[in-house]
Amino acid sequence: KQEVTQIPAALSVPEGENLVLNCSFTDSAIYNLQWFRQDPGKGLTSLLLIQSSQREQTSGRLNASLDKSSGRSTLYIAASQPGDSATYLCAVRRTGGYQKVTFGIGTKLQVIP
Amino acid sequence: GAVVSQHPSRVICKSGTSVKIECRSLDFQATTMFWYRQFPKQSLMLMATSNEGSKATYEQGVEKDKFLINHASLTLSTLTVTSAHPEDSSFYICSASPQAGGTEAFFGQGTRLTVV
Repeated sequence: KQEVTQIPAALSVPEGENLVLNCSFTDSAIYNLQWFRQDPGKGLTSLLLIQSSQREQTSGRLNASLDKSSGRSTLYIAASQPGDSATYLCAVRRTGGYQKVTFGIGTKLQVIP
Repeated sequence: GAVVSQHPSRVICKSGTSVKIECRSLDFQATTMFWYRQFPKQSLMLMATSNEGSKATYEQGVEKDKFLINHASLTLSTLTVTSAHPEDSSFYICSASPQAGGTEAFFGQGTRLTVV
């Protein structure tokens, strides 16, 4: 059974800092890994998708890496802004079948102006 | 990116009544849609997989008679919470991937259900 862990559970940083969010998963037989942002009471916004054959993806100030063999992914946020405050979720899609997605519990980020 | 629309975004109902939540893929066809539930301070948990034209596949511990899923077309799946109770109060969210080799999951806005 796939388990996804995100560390830290919460993070508070001053505006402008660079930060790293961590995600680990127990089963390396994954199809892809996706990072999402969730604002309070809202749905999910997809940030980055990394296929199992890829090592990293970048979008603007965001960079996500994937090390499938060690079961780890990181989301790097450069020059953080107050608008980045949200909960960041890591989701792993497994291979085969209907490709079930397993979510981590998320990291709640607060960027202080 | 592809758009998944979920309706309603928020609903309050009385205990014992049924509530229907709709999930639509607006600009793509989806053979399969997924329904998740999120309790406070917990991760999103897959409830069931909705398959167009066939019965849904439910995860262990999810009552299929309580959470009725209908996937009547390639763009619409509905989740009906029957005889809702306060413990069913939660955030429900659906997702879908484009039919043609889609690998990215797109999510609806979610539905906040409160049963009083």
